[in-house]
Amino acid sequence: NAGVTQTPKFQVLKTGQSMTLQCAQDMNHEYMSWYRQDPGMGLRLIHYSVGAGITDQGEVPNGYNVSRSTTEDFPLRLLSAAPSQTSVYFCASSYKSEFTDTQYFGPGTRLTVL
Amino acid sequence: SQQGEEDPQALSIQEGENATMNCSYKTSINNLQWYRQNSGRGLVHLILIRSNEREKHSGRLRVTLDTSKKSSSLLITASRAADTASYFCATASGGSNYKLTFGKGTLLTVNP
Repeated sequence: NAGVTQTPKFQVLKTGQSMTLQCAQDMNHEYMSWYRQDPGMGLRLIHYSVGAGITDQGEVPNGYNVSRSTTEDFPLRLLSAAPSQTSVYFCASSYKSEFTDTQYFGPGTRLTVL
Repeated sequence: SQQGEEDPQALSIQEGENATMNCSYKTSINNLQWYRQNSGRGLVHLILIRSNEREKHSGRLRVTLDTSKKSSSLLITASRAADTASYFCATASGGSNYKLTFGKGTLLTVNP
């Protein structure tokens, strides 16, 4: 299994540009989520999904859109990038079970918005 | 808002010593998890303790949970240089066991 994969690893955008961060998992996990990590802030939840076709907002959803058309993929879209979205973005997945709570994280995408 | 707050923010020890990190949180939880992050990498799950558990062990890791004080501690025994990393606590609360709220982390440096 590849686990959780994220592309690209690095990205530089100009203010106002749009882009999609890709996340895929091959573990048949129901739950997927996106976090951003800023210096000194820990990780903050952006959006999450409990299954295909179901998404919901986390703590910091503004400026980001998500969709979940398949179990495997959970892309994060920035419609109009802003410098405040400069961050490292992590995707995570897990089974939706009270007995199996381990979340598996991808390697991250480092995004810079100029 | 940050649910967990780790203490200390940074910790430097010698190889072979024990490292203790603490985490405090604000609201009732379903479980508390500890993750490790090596520099520039993703997070790796270390251990999970449920709200009805008080102590858990995994290899050189020992986690305690005191729900009355809303706090947890992570002990790494006989530390190694490879343990150098940032350690985060994360809490799951409400109806979700998978929607995590992370603390800001403790940066552990283990000197050879």
